[in-house]
Amino acid sequence: KAGVTQTPRYLIKTRGQQVTLSCSPISGHRSVSWYQQTPGQGLQFLFEYFSETQRNKGNFPGRFSGRQFSNSRSEMNVSTLELGDSALYLCASSSRITGRNEQFFGPGTRLTVL
Amino acid sequence: QKEVEQDPGPLSVPEGAIVSLNCTYSNSAFQYFMWYRQYSRKGPELLMYTYSSGNKEDGRFTAQVDKSSKYISLFIRDSQPSDSATYLCAMSARSNYQLIWGAGTKLIIKP
Repeated sequence: KAGVTQTPRYLIKTRGQQVTLSCSPISGHRSVSWYQQTPGQGLQFLFEYFSETQRNKGNFPGRFSGRQFSNSRSEMNVSTLELGDSALYLCASSSRITGRNEQFFGPGTRLTVL
Repeated sequence: QKEVEQDPGPLSVPEGAIVSLNCTYSNSAFQYFMWYRQYSRKGPELLMYTYSSGNKEDGRFTAQVDKSSKYISLFIRDSQPSDSATYLCAMSARSNYQLIWGAGTKLIIKP
């Protein structure tokens, strides 16, 4: 089975721009979660989508948004980029079947905001 | 106070030593416990998945859950330099699939 894929792997943007990141989950997985990881803050939960609906949301400003498509692929958008948004953005998929909720991560997208 | 506490380290041990990594938590509803390993500039990789209390072994790795003490551990036997990574614990309640994460412990195995 193919793993979780994320595109692009690297991005460089300037302050004020917006960015869209993409995630394709493991085949058959319907849950996609997004995380921001920085050296100082560790792994911070952004949001989770399941069957195209946002099920959980972390404590991030409204500039961070996401969506999930009918094929379970997900996108994350950050508008009006700030320097502090520089981070590794990780996507994780989960099957959410019979109570098992372990998550499988993609390689991440490294975003640098200049 | 955070729901999950994990010492960020770094923890430095010689090759061949037994490593003990730990997390404590405050929510007694947590029933699913996971350990992930993350190499530098990579995504986390699931190592161990445990439901409720008890031990689980997989090769050189043993995961232990003590729900009465709200304490989980990951033991690594015969540690290798390739085990050098950050180890994150994660857990969740039965009623909510959202994982709550520890800060991660950076482990360094010295040859």
